[in-house]
Amino acid sequence: QVQLQESGPGLVKPSETLSLTCSVSGGSFTTWYWSWIRQPPGKGLEWIGYVHSSGSTDYNPSLKSRVIISLDTSKSQFSLRLYSTTAADTAVYFCARDRGWAAEWGQGVLVTVSS
Amino acid sequence: DIQLTQSPSSLPASVGDRVTITCRASQDISNYLAWYQQKPGKAPRALIYGASSLQSGVPSKFGGSGSGTDFTLTISSLQPEDFAIYYCQQYHTYPLTFGGGTRVEVK
Repeated sequence: QVQLQESGPGLVKPSETLSLTCSVSGGSFTTWYWSWIRQPPGKGLEWIGYVHSSGSTDYNPSLKSRVIISLDTSKSQFSLRLYSTTAADTAVYFCARDRGWAAEWGQGVLVTVSS
Repeated sequence: DIQLTQSPSSLPASVGDRVTITCRASQDISNYLAWYQQKPGKAPRALIYGASSLQSGVPSKFGGSGSGTDFTLTISSLQPEDFAIYYCQQYHTYPLTFGGGTRVEVK
């Protein structure tokens, strides 16, 4: 049973970069798509983007200019970087194994963008 | 982007009720639809994929149907642990998109 765990700072200053890492254990890291999804407090879900184990990526056009998702297969980790943050980026950030649908999720980490 | 519209947004119900939630897509997505359950402070849990296939470990009281643009999630007999928010999600076309959610609450 694959397990995912997000890690990273819970507070980011406006205009700075949000950086999160997802550690994957208990299953194969290769051949899968790995996604980031976020949820502002009290609101719905927004897909941010994915990285495939080959290194290919795709992003939500609404965030594409500010986001990079990368992977480190040697550590079974993938990462999110979101640049030029504002208060609107305050959300719980989830990582997930993406089969088109997100079959497995991390527990999520709240990131607050505030000075 | 493909828009998903869920109805109702709020559904008061009682234990033992049969509950139906609908999800309508803005264009044909074949059967590339998933359903999730989310409880407060928790990550969503996948219930259904491929519009009607039950995710491993999910009880058979959950059922999905539909294709094209109209889909439903049914809970055959609502139990206390089923009060939650339910989301649909399409994976026919990137970017992946979610419906706005349906809160199943105590009547």
